[in-house]
Amino acid sequence: AQSVAQPEDQVNVAEGNPLTVKCTYSVSGNPYLFWYVQYPNRGLQFLLKYITGDNLVKGSYGFEAEFNKSQTSFHLKKPSALVSDSALYFCAVRDGGDSSYKLIFGSGTRLLVRP
Amino acid sequence: GAVVSQHPSRVICKSGTSVKIECRSLDFQATTMFWYRQFPKQSLMLMATSNEGSKATYEQGVEKDKFLINHASLTLSTLTVTSAHPEDSSFYICSAGTSGSLVGTDTQYFGPGTRLTVL
Repeated sequence: AQSVAQPEDQVNVAEGNPLTVKCTYSVSGNPYLFWYVQYPNRGLQFLLKYITGDNLVKGSYGFEAEFNKSQTSFHLKKPSALVSDSALYFCAVRDGGDSSYKLIFGSGTRLLVRP
Repeated sequence: GAVVSQHPSRVICKSGTSVKIECRSLDFQATTMFWYRQFPKQSLMLMATSNEGSKATYEQGVEKDKFLINHASLTLSTLTVTSAHPEDSSFYICSAGTSGSLVGTDTQYFGPGTRLTVL
């Protein structure tokens, strides 16, 4: 069975500092991994994805994530946080061999960037 | 590119009435659309997968007769909440994926969501 774990309900960081939002996954086949961000009362915005290739993936708004197969992790990172990055972040996974495109979402991590 | 819209963004209705929510892919053809439900401060719960021209596949525990899904074209899917009750109040989000060449086949693009309140 596929699953995603986001161990932190909330991450607090000061503006200008680096941020990390953690994600680990479990999938039987090849993992397709995604990060989405959600602002209040809005849908999800796609940030980045890992399908294959380089383990370090760069996405929107200066975010990046590193795929680590041995640790089954896909942590989201940004070198310098902005107050406007404060939002709810979801990690998601699907089995690359599953043609249904169904995503399994983590529970979400709220990022709070203080000025 | 890859824009998904939802209408309405917010709806308030009386108990017992039906509500239709539309999900449109604006600049690509969506062979597959998904409907999610999100409770406050919780993750997304997949309700059903909808493929154009065929019946929707519902997740376990989701009543297909209560949540009617129609995917009549490659750019439009609708979710109808029939005989709505207060416990159906929630944030409903659709997403769309495609096997076409315009956007990546592996990414779901999400609509802005619809806040349903049943009085």
